[in-house]
Amino acid sequence: AQKVTQAQTEISVVEKEDVTLDCVYETRDTTYYLFWYKQPPSGELVFLIRRNSFDEQNEISGRYSWNFQKSTSSFNFTITASQVVDSAVYFCALSEHKAGANNLFFGTGTRLTVIP
Amino acid sequence: NAGVTQTPKFRILKIGQSMTLQCTQDMNHNYMYWYRQDPGMGLKLIYYSVGAGITDKGEVPNGYNVSRSTTEDFPLRLELAAPSQTSVYFCASTRRTGNSNQPQHFGDGTRLSIL
Repeated sequence: AQKVTQAQTEISVVEKEDVTLDCVYETRDTTYYLFWYKQPPSGELVFLIRRNSFDEQNEISGRYSWNFQKSTSSFNFTITASQVVDSAVYFCALSEHKAGANNLFFGTGTRLTVIP
Repeated sequence: NAGVTQTPKFRILKIGQSMTLQCTQDMNHNYMYWYRQDPGMGLKLIYYSVGAGITDKGEVPNGYNVSRSTTEDFPLRLELAAPSQTSVYFCASTRRTGNSNQPQHFGDGTRLSIL
């Protein structure tokens, strides 16, 4: 069965601090995709990154970076020099690669508050 | 550049009423989805469609129905609204290309309260 765990329910940091959001997943498939989405206070879901199970390279995009480790089934997300605009709920999600839905299994989200 | 459009944005229903949540996308995506998001929780899949005329159940389909008569539209129907269906509903779409799971694009959501 598929499962995504985001153990951190809420995190508060002071502006300019670095913060890491944890994501641990479970799947029996050997081919799968991992995603991070951002949900700002306005409520929409914004896609941040996709990673497939064969690509364990870390990725950096501006202040954002992602660390994918298959050995620990983790796909952690780090924001460097956090800003108030980073305040949002962040969701990690898993999608298995198979015929059919390719639907997303979401974690329960981590609410990040950046204090000015 | 509309993307995924959901209507209405907000709605209050009485128990036992019915309604249809509308979803349309202009990206020519073949896959479409309906999710619900309960307070403090992640999204859960209600129904999905891999193309016009083809729909299937997700994780939490009870109390809902869908249809997909066109590529663009994927309405979600609540027949007998119950308080447990109070939630935020998100429609999403994506294009399945070969063996790659592309990111899903989400609408802005419909906030539904059943009283």
